[in-house]
Amino acid sequence: SQKIEQNSEALNIQEGKTATLTCNYTNYSPAYLQWYRQDPGRGPVFLLLIRENEKEKRKERLKVTFDTTLKQSLFHITASQPADSATYLCALESTGGYQKVTFGTGTKLQVIP
Amino acid sequence: ETGVTQSPTHLIKTRGQQVTLRCSSQSGHNTVSWYQQALGQGPQFIFQYYREEENGRGNFPPRFSGLQFPNYSSELNVNALELDDSALYLCASSLDRGKGSPLHFGNGTRLTVT
Repeated sequence: SQKIEQNSEALNIQEGKTATLTCNYTNYSPAYLQWYRQDPGRGPVFLLLIRENEKEKRKERLKVTFDTTLKQSLFHITASQPADSATYLCALESTGGYQKVTFGTGTKLQVIP
Repeated sequence: ETGVTQSPTHLIKTRGQQVTLRCSSQSGHNTVSWYQQALGQGPQFIFQYYREEENGRGNFPPRFSGLQFPNYSSELNVNALELDDSALYLCASSLDRGKGSPLHFGNGTRLTVT
């Protein structure tokens, strides 16, 4: 069955360092991969989308890589700040008649001042 | 630009009852998707509505049903509530079935079934 794995353990890093979050998937051929941020009690907020034929995407302090051979995406936040503390969700979307987006369980990031 | 709004924010129901949750999509968006998020889990796709018709469905029983109205707002109805239905229900809007484009989420309705 399709599976998306993100680190279930929280990731604690020092302010100013680069946070790297991992998303691995199996039995899936996604056309798109997205990353969302979710704060407690709030809905997910879209951060970045990368297509299957793209290797890397950047937006300000954020960078996403997508390796369809390894079936893995890495999400980087450079110069991390306490305000970056949240849960980050990886989401995959395959081609088809409708937009079915499958989410991972998320990784909780804590940036320590 | 108006974002996605959901109502109510919290709801407590008893097992066996029925519930209706509401969602107003972001202005200009004609596609609405509903997700269920249990505590500590990622959102799970329930179904998607496009131009007032169900456009796709996840692995949820028929007691989960929905509607989309001409103004693209939407409802999620759940009949015969079970304890496991307790979760955060999220609505997301997008444009033209949204393929390859971001989902714009509301802040959800927290449903508790006792």
